[in-house]
Amino acid sequence: AQSVAQPEDQVNVAEGNPLTVKCTYSVSGNPYLFWYVQYPNRGLQFLLKYITGDNLVKGSYGFEAEFNKSQTSFHLKKPSALVSDSALYFCAVNGGSQGNLIFGKGTKLSVKP
Amino acid sequence: DTGVSQDPRHKITKRGQNVTFRCDPISEHNRLYWYRQTLGQGPEFLTYFQNEAQLEKSRLLSDRFSAERPKGSFSTLEIQRTEQGDSAMYLCASSQDRAYQADTQYFGPGTRLTVL
Repeated sequence: AQSVAQPEDQVNVAEGNPLTVKCTYSVSGNPYLFWYVQYPNRGLQFLLKYITGDNLVKGSYGFEAEFNKSQTSFHLKKPSALVSDSALYFCAVNGGSQGNLIFGKGTKLSVKP
Repeated sequence: DTGVSQDPRHKITKRGQNVTFRCDPISEHNRLYWYRQTLGQGPEFLTYFQNEAQLEKSRLLSDRFSAERPKGSFSTLEIQRTEQGDSAMYLCASSQDRAYQADTQYFGPGTRLTVL
């Protein structure tokens, strides 16, 4: 079965420091991987996706993610965190039989000034 | 592109009542998905439409749940005889039908249901 895991419930980072939010996946076939961000009482906003090609994917708001096939990982990164990046981040794989997304449990990112 | 919209944003109801939620997808998107998100969890798939056809339902979708997408436009999700366990955020997402699993799904703001 297709699945994703986000091993950290929470990540704490100081403003200006680099951040990493971890995600590992398990799929049969080609992985189609996504990152979304959710602010309180809001829906999910698309950040970036990996389909094929370059292992480093650039997305919205300065975020990027690195696809690593051998480690089955798709970690989200940003070189310099902002307080406004504080939110809930979800990794997902498109592995459903009808193209539905399968999400991890989410990682709460807290960026302190 | 006005984005995916959902109505209402919040719904409080008493156990046993019926509720209906509406989702308006991005206008040119053929695919529409419903997900449910409970506190501390990621969204879980409920059901999916390609145009007006409902092609798949999750096992999470009991017979108290029904969804429609008449004419392939907006969609409604109805929950009959609500239970306290139905309390959750209900999310709608839409995507174009260009690259199947590679298509980006765009989410609405969600409807938060509280069953008392």
